[in-house]
Amino acid sequence: AQSVTQLDSQVPVFEEAPVELRCNYSSSVSVYLFWYVQYPNQGLQLLLKYLSGSTLVKGINGFEAEFNKSQTSFHLRKPSVHISDTAEYFCAVSEGGSQGNLIFGKGTKLSVKP
Amino acid sequence: GAGVSQSPRYKVAKRGQDVALRCDPISGHVSLFWYQQALGQGPEFLTYFQNEAQLDKSGLPSDRFFAERPEGSVSTLKIQRTQQEDSAVYLCASSLGPAIAKNIQYFGAGTRLSVL
Repeated sequence: AQSVTQLDSQVPVFEEAPVELRCNYSSSVSVYLFWYVQYPNQGLQLLLKYLSGSTLVKGINGFEAEFNKSQTSFHLRKPSVHISDTAEYFCAVSEGGSQGNLIFGKGTKLSVKP
Repeated sequence: GAGVSQSPRYKVAKRGQDVALRCDPISGHVSLFWYQQALGQGPEFLTYFQNEAQLDKSGLPSDRFFAERPEGSVSTLKIQRTQQEDSAVYLCASSLGPAIAKNIQYFGAGTRLSVL
């Protein structure tokens, strides 16, 4: 069965510092990978996705992630964070050939401090 | 509307009451998903519709949970005889279709259900 592990439940960081949010998955088949962001009292918004091709994917708001098949990881990075990046971030996986329902990690709360 | 709309945004129910949660997907979206997000957890899959057909209900936690999408557009998630463990945010998502290139899911803001 598929599963997604987000190792850090909370990540505090100062404004303009770099950040990496970690995500590992387990699956025996090909997968598609996603990062979603959830601001308070709002729905999930897609940040970026990996479907195929280049393993480095760029998303909105300056975020990027790298798919590493050998390490079954899909870590999210941003070189310089802003206060407005404070939110909860969810990594998700969808199995290739499936109907597309997402398996989510438990989320990482990113707190950006001035 | 431009996005996925869910109503009500907040629902308080007494234990044992029945509740109905509504989802209006993006117009033209074939696929519709329901997820349950407990406090401090990631969303968990409940059920999936392709047009009006419910193709997967493997995530529904009990037979008290029922979902429908009779005309292939609006969907309703019904919970009968609510219990405290049903307290969660219920998220609806829609996508253009089942093919992965189209299967970017757009989420509503959710309905926060509190069962007292």
